[in-house]
Amino acid sequence: NAGVTQTPKFRVLKTGQSMTLLCAQDMNHEYMYWYRQDPGMGLRLIHYSVGEGTTAKGEVPDGYNVSRLKKQNFLLGLESAAPSQTSVYFCASSRPGQGTYEQYFGPGTRLTVT
Amino acid sequence: AQKITQTQPGMFVQEKEAVTLDCTYDTSDPSYGLFWYKQPSSGEMIFLIYQGSYDQQNATEGRYSLNFQKARKSANLVISASQLGDSAMYFCAMREFTGNQFYFGTGTSLTVIP
Repeated sequence: NAGVTQTPKFRVLKTGQSMTLLCAQDMNHEYMYWYRQDPGMGLRLIHYSVGEGTTAKGEVPDGYNVSRLKKQNFLLGLESAAPSQTSVYFCASSRPGQGTYEQYFGPGTRLTVT
Repeated sequence: AQKITQTQPGMFVQEKEAVTLDCTYDTSDPSYGLFWYKQPSSGEMIFLIYQGSYDQQNATEGRYSLNFQKARKSANLVISASQLGDSAMYFCAMREFTGNQFYFGTGTSLTVIP
């Protein structure tokens, strides 16, 4: 199993450009998440999804959109990139319910907006 | 209010000694889970240990143990017999089971000194 994969691993954008980050998981997990990680800020939740066709806003959703058309994929879109969106983006997935259902993380995407 | 607070930005420990990384949390949900993750310099997030709010005993996983004090809302990670490979960022996280989000602290950078 590949677990959680993210595409691309690195990207440099100019201000105003758009892009889509792809997250894929092969563990049949219901829940998927997008985080951004900035120095000294830990991980902050951008958007999440509790199942195919559903999405919800997290702590820092502004400037991002998401889609979950297939259970295994969760896309994060930046319509008009800004320098403040320079960050490392992590995707994660987990099973629903209570218990030791930890999140499995992808390797991250390092995005720089100039 | 912060859901997860990690007050130690950086910690140093001598190799083979034990170290405690602090974590306090804030929730009114009676059902929740607490997690610790390790992030080495390579960037991936590695799940270490889990404690459920109703678990009577402190969780242990190899050299990792979680000192769970429910009344004080603390979930400190104890690493015994530190190794050089333990040098990394450590994140405490919480999941409230009435919701679907994970909340992360800002992390503690641990350096193991030979």
